Amino acid sequence: NAGVTQTPKFQVLKTGQSMTLQCAQDMNHNSMYWYRQDPGMGLRLIYYSASEGTTDKGEVPNGYNVSRLNKREFSLRLESAAPSQTSVYFCASSVIPNYGYTFGSGTRLTVV
Amino acid sequence: AQTVTQSQPEMSVQEAETVTLSCTYDTSESNYYLFWYKQPPSRQMILVIRQEAYKQQNATENRFSVNFQKAAKSFSLKISDSQLGDTAMYFCAFGIQGAQKLVFGQGTRLTINP
Repeated sequence: NAGVTQTPKFQVLKTGQSMTLQCAQDMNHNSMYWYRQDPGMGLRLIYYSASEGTTDKGEVPNGYNVSRLNKREFSLRLESAAPSQTSVYFCASSVIPNYGYTFGSGTRLTVV
Repeated sequence: AQTVTQSQPEMSVQEAETVTLSCTYDTSESNYYLFWYKQPPSRQMILVIRQEAYKQQNATENRFSVNFQKAAKSFSLKISDSQLGDTAMYFCAFGIQGAQKLVFGQGTRLTINP
């Protein structure tokens, strides 16, 4: 019963470095999402993928890229990290959003 | 655009008390879904309760229930007989029927005191 697995759980980057956050789900869900959580701002959608082979921008896509590698995996890439990208990042998946999401355990990213 | 507002950044109650968390939303759609998620200190997001807008009956899950007022666009969460394990951030979320994404509120940090 793995659900949604995110790696890594913690990461510290220097400004300008790049990294990829990995996400995989084993529930055969069609849709996958990347959100960021910041104090006082709730969860804001970065990118989502409604099905394998498709991706769409969310509310705050600038500075990020995504890849839906296959039905199971949806990665988030920061090409040149900035301190404003310090946040907790959540991956989620759903069979259809009306039923709600299943979340991963989050990645705490600090950019110094 | 749809918005979700949680007007109580923090709340604190004594164990065994009943507490109500507020959520309002703004939409012109008539078919949608509402959710409450719990985020304990472990950071894991857990679905607490779900409500379909077309249902007049309020959803209930054990000690958790909602007061859904469609006309007022209000969706509050009531926790009865609160327990120390209820200490968490609580997020209200909204999704339109057929849409691909949920919109979340800012969150309410709830502390249950012994």
